Amino acid sequence: GAVVSQHPSRVICKSGTSVKIECRSLDFQATTMFWYRQFPKKSLMLMATSNEGSKATYEQGVEKDKFLINHASLTLSTLTVTSAHPEDSSFYICSATGFASIRTDTQYFGPGTRLTVL
Amino acid sequence: QKEVEQNSGPLSVPEGAIASLNCTYSDRGSQSFFWYRQYSGKSPELIMSIYSNGDKEDGRFTAQLNKASQYVSLLIRDSQPSDSATYLCAVNMDDVGNDMRFGAGTRLTVKP
Repeated sequence: GAVVSQHPSRVICKSGTSVKIECRSLDFQATTMFWYRQFPKKSLMLMATSNEGSKATYEQGVEKDKFLINHASLTLSTLTVTSAHPEDSSFYICSATGFASIRTDTQYFGPGTRLTVL
Repeated sequence: QKEVEQNSGPLSVPEGAIASLNCTYSDRGSQSFFWYRQYSGKSPELIMSIYSNGDKEDGRFTAQLNKASQYVSLLIRDSQPSDSATYLCAVNMDDVGNDMRFGAGTRLTVKP
């Protein structure tokens, strides 16, 4: 149990375009989803926390108008990188906490999405 | 002081040896503690969680927790080259997993 998927796994886009990344909990209902960014050989950086039906809470320094997060259901959250630039190139990872058949205090990670902006 | 601190390594051990990974945390009220493994280019995967003082064993992995010293460790017995990865220590600052703080990770290399 506790499987989280992300789509796409890899995306290459041109500068100025927008990219949407989906995060789904496949076998549990996710009360909260988290979006992280990780640069090569660097630590995980939490970008934002989202709860179903609520506005996301962004970490200090993360532009909410650039990184749009929608948590429309208990199994789906999306991150849209708007007007992407080369400096947005990174590894984006989502995680989720949930309830029912899994521990509620544990974050389960998706496989990540590697974004390259040309 | 960082909330969760780990020695960044790299830690290198020979195959078959015991690898010892250490982590300290600053919030004395923290209740749950986790170790994640992250292979290069991949996302973190949960190895173990621990909630009570003492040892918790799962196969070749043993997590140790000492709340008085605010210290948590992970021992990997009979280390294998496939254990080579970055190990992340994570500490929940609340009781529902919504405020998890990660250490920077310790890079482990197991040499054949």
